[in-house]
Amino acid sequence: KAGVTQTPRYLIKTRGQQVTLSCSPISGHRSVSWYQQTPGQGLQFLFEYFSETQRNKGNFPGRFSGRQFSNSRSEMNVSTLELGDSALYLCASSITRTGANTGELFFGEGSRLTVL
Amino acid sequence: AQSVTQPDIHITVSEGASLELRCNYSYGATPYLFWYVQSPGQGLQLLLKYFSGDTLVQGIKGFEAEFKRSQSSFNLRKPSVHWSDAAEYFCAVGLSGGYQKVTFGTGTKLQVIP
Repeated sequence: KAGVTQTPRYLIKTRGQQVTLSCSPISGHRSVSWYQQTPGQGLQFLFEYFSETQRNKGNFPGRFSGRQFSNSRSEMNVSTLELGDSALYLCASSITRTGANTGELFFGEGSRLTVL
Repeated sequence: AQSVTQPDIHITVSEGASLELRCNYSYGATPYLFWYVQSPGQGLQLLLKYFSGDTLVQGIKGFEAEFKRSQSSFNLRKPSVHWSDAAEYFCAVGLSGGYQKVTFGTGTKLQVIP
């Protein structure tokens, strides 16, 4: 069974640009969560999608957005990039068949974004 | 809101020695508790989880953790550390029911010396 796939793995952008990151969850997993990981802040929850609906959102500005498609694949977008957006962005999927949370997450290897 | 504290940022142990990584959580109800491990340049891998029942849970790679409600702790242990265990370890708490939102601790970086 293929794991969670994130693309691209590495990217470099300049301030003011926008970026889109993609995540393909494990087959059968309907919930996709996104996390930002930085040395200073650790793992910060961005948002979670289930059946194409955003169910929960962390404390990030509106420049951070996401969506989920009918096949459960998800994208996140960051507009007007700032230097502080440089981070490892991790996607995680989970089964949540009934929509209830168990918290057991399966992570991808992440997309490392560098903003210059 | 739930929170997780990992008081040790960095721990160094000798290969073959025992290991205990500390984790304290704050949550009103009984939480779901997890330990994840992250190797350099990789995503996080689940080591073990506690939902309910037996408070001593066994995980992969020889790790175990004990849930102590009275101390709000979920410490990770391993009796004999291997060099390949060098990584960063994250304790996490999830909501018991409801939407998917897992809160992670700041992590403990484990160094193993020969």
